[in-house]
Amino acid sequence: GNSVTQMEGPVTLSEEAFLTINCTYTATGYPSLFWYVQYPGEGLQLLLKATKADDKGSNKGFEATYRKETTSFHLEKGSVQVSDSAVYFCALTRNTGNQFYFGTGTSLTVIP
Amino acid sequence: GAGVSQTPSNKVTEKGKYVELRCDPISGHTALYWYRQSLGQGPEFLIYFQGTGAADDSGLPNDRFFAVRPEGSVSTLKIQRTERGDSAVYLCASSLNPLAGGSEQYFGPGTRLTVT
Repeated sequence: GNSVTQMEGPVTLSEEAFLTINCTYTATGYPSLFWYVQYPGEGLQLLLKATKADDKGSNKGFEATYRKETTSFHLEKGSVQVSDSAVYFCALTRNTGNQFYFGTGTSLTVIP
Repeated sequence: GAGVSQTPSNKVTEKGKYVELRCDPISGHTALYWYRQSLGQGPEFLIYFQGTGAADDSGLPNDRFFAVRPEGSVSTLKIQRTERGDSAVYLCASSLNPLAGGSEQYFGPGTRLTVT
């Protein structure tokens, strides 16, 4: 089957710290991988994506590399800001384009 | 342009009642999805429409849940004989070209359903 496993939170970091949120997946075929972010009081927004092995998605200083050999798509940021406080969801979709499979989400709080 | 909109934003109903949740996708998006998000969990897929037809309804939990999209735009999720376990945030998403690899889904703000 298809599934996503994320590291559990909550995660609390000081401003300018390095962030890693682990994500591994199980999928049939060759999925596309996504990170979505949900800021407090807002809906889900796409943060970045990668559609094939070894692709790197990046946005707003966040990066994630599609690693087929380890079935992983870990999210990283070199220096977090208070404004990065949100819940982060890893997700996959098979390239037939229908449903997304989401992880359980990781809550990040960045303190000044 | 306008994003995905959902109404109502909050709905409180009594156990056993019928509810309808509405989704208005981004104009021109042919694909529409419903998900359910329980507290502390990621969204779980319910149903996917391509145009007017339900292409995949494998996520609907039972026959109390039904969704329609009669004109290929607005969709309504209908829940009969609501139960307390149906309480969750119901999310709608739309996509322009779901058959293209890596096609993004755009999410609405959700409807928070509370069954008392």
